[in-house]
Amino acid sequence: NAGVTQTPKFQVLKTGQSMTLQCAQDMNHNSMYWYRQDPGMGLRLIYYSASEGTTDKGEVPNGYNVSRLNKREFSLRLESAAPSQTSVYFCASSESWLAGNTIYFGEGSWLTVV
Amino acid sequence: QKEVEQNSGPLSVPEGAIASLNCTYSDRGSQSFFWYRQYSGKSPELIMFIYSNGDKEDGRFTAQLNKASQYVSLLIRDSQPSDSATYLCAVKRGGSQGNLIFGKGTKLSVKP
Repeated sequence: NAGVTQTPKFQVLKTGQSMTLQCAQDMNHNSMYWYRQDPGMGLRLIYYSASEGTTDKGEVPNGYNVSRLNKREFSLRLESAAPSQTSVYFCASSESWLAGNTIYFGEGSWLTVV
Repeated sequence: QKEVEQNSGPLSVPEGAIASLNCTYSDRGSQSFFWYRQYSGKSPELIMFIYSNGDKEDGRFTAQLNKASQYVSLLIRDSQPSDSATYLCAVKRGGSQGNLIFGKGTKLSVKP
């Protein structure tokens, strides 16, 4: 059982380049999330999708776009990468958006913007 | 005031001791409370969740919740070197705000 799978695991981008982080879950979860984790800042929510067909901004959405492609897949796009977007990105999913549902994380994507 | 606060540590305990990790939160409407463990270079993994006031035990781990004081803690009994990791407290709001708010984590080091 793969759980939450993210690709790529590592990526180096030049400032201004674009890229898409892919995420898929096989747990039939309704809700999916993208977080970033920076030293001293903890995990911060970028965007989330409470259910298929919906997406909403989280705490730090600027510079990112998302697509909930179907129930399984939720991608994160950086249109014009900036050094401030150097971070570790985690995709996550939960059965539903309601309080009390456990969130499960993917293995992370290490992104460096130079 | 930050929404979820944790002492960043590092918290160092000898092997076999009890490690006590603490977390406070600011939103009184919060309904669910989670503890995640994160090893260096790895993703967070769920250890425990607690919804009701009081204690919840799972093996060597005990989560404690006091909603009146807006305080949640994690006790690790018989600490092992393999418990050395960063422990993240996360709080889930109720109602329409269902996402998790994470603390910055407490780094725990268990010395053999």
